[in-house]
Amino acid sequence: DAGITQSPRHKVTETGTPVTLRCHQTENHRYMYWYRQDPGHGLRLIHYSYGVKDTDKGEVSDGYSVSRSKTEDFLLTLESATSSQTSVYFCAISETGRTDTQYFGPGTRLTVL
Amino acid sequence: QKEVEQDPGPLSVPEGAIVSLNCTYSNSAFQYFMWYRQYSRKGPELLMYTYSSGNKEDGRFTAQVDKSSKYISLFIRDSQPSDSATYLCAMSYPGGATNKLIFGTGTLLAVQP
Repeated sequence: DAGITQSPRHKVTETGTPVTLRCHQTENHRYMYWYRQDPGHGLRLIHYSYGVKDTDKGEVSDGYSVSRSKTEDFLLTLESATSSQTSVYFCAISETGRTDTQYFGPGTRLTVL
Repeated sequence: QKEVEQDPGPLSVPEGAIVSLNCTYSNSAFQYFMWYRQYSRKGPELLMYTYSSGNKEDGRFTAQVDKSSKYISLFIRDSQPSDSATYLCAMSYPGGATNKLIFGTGTLLAVQP
């Protein structure tokens, strides 16, 4: 998985609690992305980062925030988890920002009860 | 209407068959076309990348793009049980700090030995 780890790999939480997912890369790539994957919707971009402290919203950013204080780490926070945020979350990295160079991590399966 | 439409399958074929996977799209601004393969409980991995209309071949895989019809295809020759996976088409156009991927919902393929 191209030097990308995600933690935790599985998490069960309750509605209303904050949750933070971590993406860690060893490739020193500039660009990092968070996607969610749901049946019937495919993969959808939540937020992305184009450098340390530089982030922007994606297609489905409501209810999510991100932070990137170091090149290697990109955190996704669900401020107050809801059942609609039950999903599989994938981190991706890219050296150039081009779409032929995005490499995906193994995913985090999140269940919000 | 979704920007990218993909038949979810499932598609079941015998080993050795030729497989045809397809996506249609509505946004004529798309310039880059990708196919990803995703094994169960894993992250997507880039399989094929094309920029222009026409065919691109890589081993047993051929990607085809028809921009006039807004239609892309992936052909797998001599299919193997190891090809059993979900195949995702994805498209993007340049803009902003990074190219953003729009994914199809994926087609589940099973190759029977």
